[in-house]
Amino acid sequence: NAGVTQTPKFRILKIGQSMTLQCAQDMNHNYMYWYRQDPGMGLKLIYYSVGAGITDKGEVPNGYNVSRSTTEDFPLRLELAAPSQTSVYFCASSYGRQGVRSDADTQYFGPGTRLTVL
Amino acid sequence: EDQVTQSPEALRLQEGESSSLNCSYTVSGLRGLFWYRQDPGKGPEFLFTLYSAGEEKEKERLKATLTKKESFLHITAPKPEDSATYLCAVQAAGSARQLTFGSGTQLTVLP
Repeated sequence: NAGVTQTPKFRILKIGQSMTLQCAQDMNHNYMYWYRQDPGMGLKLIYYSVGAGITDKGEVPNGYNVSRSTTEDFPLRLELAAPSQTSVYFCASSYGRQGVRSDADTQYFGPGTRLTVL
Repeated sequence: EDQVTQSPEALRLQEGESSSLNCSYTVSGLRGLFWYRQDPGKGPEFLFTLYSAGEEKEKERLKATLTKKESFLHITAPKPEDSATYLCAVQAAGSARQLTFGSGTQLTVLP
């Protein structure tokens, strides 16, 4: 299992450009999440999904969009990039559904994408 | 609003010098408290989940404990390879399993 994979690892954008951060998991997890981490800060939730076709906003959703057409993939779209979106972005996944697995609530993280907006 | 506060922000220890990291939390019904380790330039790596007050879990030199208001991560006889940032997060009951993170404790273990 590759676990949670993210691409690209690094990216520099100019103000106003758009891009999509890719996230994929091969653990058959139902729940997926996007977080951002600013220097010296904890992770903040941007968006999450509890299954294909179902997404919802987290704490800091402004300036971002998501879609989830398959169980495996959960891309994050940045429209009209701004310097405030300079951050490290982490994707995570968890099994999510109770009853079968003791680690259903555990979130497993990808390696991150470091984004700079200039 | 769920809140997590970790202290200290940074901790420097000599190899073999035991210590504890603190995680204080307020949450509207705790579903679980999670500890993660994060190395520079990498994603958080899962360590422990604690579900109820009085619960303890151990892994090598690490031991996590939980009360109704806080959690401790005890590090016994640390080694330089234990140097990392340790993150604490809470999961509220009834949520879609979202985590609320603290800002972390940066641990440095000197040889």
